[in-house]
Amino acid sequence: GAGVSQSPSNKVTEKGKDVELRCDPISGHTALYWYRQSLGQGLEFLIYFQGNSAPDKSGLPSDRFSAERTGGSVSTLTIQRTQQEDSAVYLCASSLMASGTHNTYEQYFGPGTRLTVT
Amino acid sequence: KNEVEQSPQNLTAQEGEFITINCSYSVGISALHWLQQHPGGGIVSLFMLSSGKKKHGRLIATINIQEKHSSLHITASHPRDSAVYICAAHTGNQFYFGTGTSLTVIP
Repeated sequence: GAGVSQSPSNKVTEKGKDVELRCDPISGHTALYWYRQSLGQGLEFLIYFQGNSAPDKSGLPSDRFSAERTGGSVSTLTIQRTQQEDSAVYLCASSLMASGTHNTYEQYFGPGTRLTVT
Repeated sequence: KNEVEQSPQNLTAQEGEFITINCSYSVGISALHWLQQHPGGGIVSLFMLSSGKKKHGRLIATINIQEKHSSLHITASHPRDSAVYICAAHTGNQFYFGTGTSLTVIP
């Protein structure tokens, strides 16, 4: 079946512009996660959605970042007034649930969106 | 201080060697994840642990909750195991990642 897809695969934007990154999770997965990986750096957790519950936004790096998940499926990560330090690969993952055993909790990662802010 | 520390940062092994990657964490966890990131960037979830030991093929993951320590072992290593291995602690609504261990297995 189809895995997690993300679009665009690459995005180059000018400093100060807004960008939207999209994630299509695996059908039926109730949990969706956003991460970012800056060049040469480790993974950083941003936010996750479980079903229709309100997400904990405390992992978002600044108030320029927001995320929503419509209809419990597709998610959009929006970065307003982009800065050069926002340049990174933004990764999305989904899992059947956000808890339980590895079978339900295993995260499937998308290919990422490489964002470059010039 | 990072919530998750991994060692070693880099590891080179000869094909067939037994490999151990270590992960220590300082937070209370609901689960500990091991991930594999290939040179092309794709990430695969290997294990999720909350206690004990798990085995999948040549990979074994263990966790000691009292010591807040986990290890990933690879038996009979192979060049296709070359990747970055990442430890992640899941606590509440947060995930904390180690900086990864870059493994190169030489034929």
